[in-house]
Amino acid sequence: QVHLHQWGAGLLKPSETLSLSCNVSDGSFSGYYWTWLRQSSGRGLEWIGEIYHGRRASYNPSVESRVTISQDKSKRRFFLEMRSVTAADTAIYYCARGGEYYNSGTYYKPLDYWGQGTPVTVSS
Amino acid sequence: DIQMTQYPSSLSASVGDRVTITCRSSQNIGKFLNWYQQKPGKAPNFLVFAASVLHTGVPQRFSGSGSGTEFTLTISGLQPEDFATYFCQQTHNVPHTFGQGTKVEVK
Repeated sequence: QVHLHQWGAGLLKPSETLSLSCNVSDGSFSGYYWTWLRQSSGRGLEWIGEIYHGRRASYNPSVESRVTISQDKSKRRFFLEMRSVTAADTAIYYCARGGEYYNSGTYYKPLDYWGQGTPVTVSS
Repeated sequence: DIQMTQYPSSLSASVGDRVTITCRSSQNIGKFLNWYQQKPGKAPNFLVFAASVLHTGVPQRFSGSGSGTEFTLTISGLQPEDFATYFCQQTHNVPHTFGQGTKVEVK
């Protein structure tokens, strides 16, 4: 059973850098889209970006200039770095796995496994 | 960005009811539409991909339909464990966007 466990600092001051890690236990690490999302009452669920082994990460344009998603395949981990945070970045952050599901000639990419969520508050 | 509009934002229902949630996309996304269920304090749980294909283990009372810009999730015979918030997500274009959610509450 695939399990994603995430961790990182939950309280930041404006202008600081948010750093989160997500460890993947069981299952293959290759062949999946490792994804970061966040959820807040104001913005709902927001896709931040994803990384696939051997490819450049893909980001939401709304945060692209401040975000880096990276991975360490040897440790079965992937990471989120968000720079220059503001109060608007306050949210619950999730890591998730984008699987490849085949149906009628097409591959689809739902988020089939999720981390437990990390509440992040940005406040001075 | 593709805008995903879900409605209603909330509904009240009883155990045994048939419930339908609608999700509309701002442009044609084919069948690149997923549905998730979320309970308070938990991460979302994957239910449906390709608009209508149930994930392994999802009860048959759940069904999805639609293509293009209009999609529905139906729960036929609501069970106590189904009271939750449901989200649609498009994966046709980056950024992958979500609907605002539909909260299914006890009547």
